[in-house]
Amino acid sequence: QVQLVQSGGEMKKPGASVKVSCRASGYTFTNHGISWVRQAPGQGLEWVGWISTNIGNTNYGQKFQGRVTMTTDTSTTTAYMELRDLRSDDTAVYYCARVALAVAETDYWGQGTLVTVSS
Amino acid sequence: QSVLTQPPSASGTPGQGVTISCSGSSSNIGVNYAFWYQQLPGAAPRLLVNTRNERPSGVPDRFSGSKSGTSASLAISGLRPEDEADYYCAVWDDILRGVQFGGGTKLTVL
Repeated sequence: QVQLVQSGGEMKKPGASVKVSCRASGYTFTNHGISWVRQAPGQGLEWVGWISTNIGNTNYGQKFQGRVTMTTDTSTTTAYMELRDLRSDDTAVYYCARVALAVAETDYWGQGTLVTVSS
Repeated sequence: QSVLTQPPSASGTPGQGVTISCSGSSSNIGVNYAFWYQQLPGAAPRLLVNTRNERPSGVPDRFSGSKSGTSASLAISGLRPEDEADYYCAVWDDILRGVQFGGGTKLTVL
């Protein structure tokens, strides 16, 4: 069965970087892109960006351009999202999700990774 | 501030039907498929249906999606207590070049 398993929660100080991993299994990794979505405490969903797992093309949300980098390792079927220069308002649960066909269509989700930014 | 507008709340009683709207523009819903997600408390979102009323396997046909112009709708018939959740619309925006989510609608089953 399709599974996306994310790395554990992180506690970071303002200005630091965080790298969240998302290991995929149960399907051909390079047949589907990976999208990243975050959710601040008590808030709605916010799209961070996505990566095409076969050719590595990326598309980042305007708010995150310059601060985020998404990569993949096809040998381990793992996707990564690195967010730099963290601020307190980056505190959120970060989800990875498998892109079905359209980028806005994500059919399997990871369990989420809580990133807490606090001094 | 989201470019997609959803009502913050909706409610219904068991067995009733409810419709949640998502208002967008000509650069998103007007030209692209929109998708609806359900998020139960403490869980990851789940893909429900798109605006062509296509559902992943396992999603009951009580959930239906549609579009009219630049607005999308999610209709839920035969409400059940387990439908109490947050619902989000999502669509690609051709001008912003990214996925936009609506602000979410909290559905209460009274």
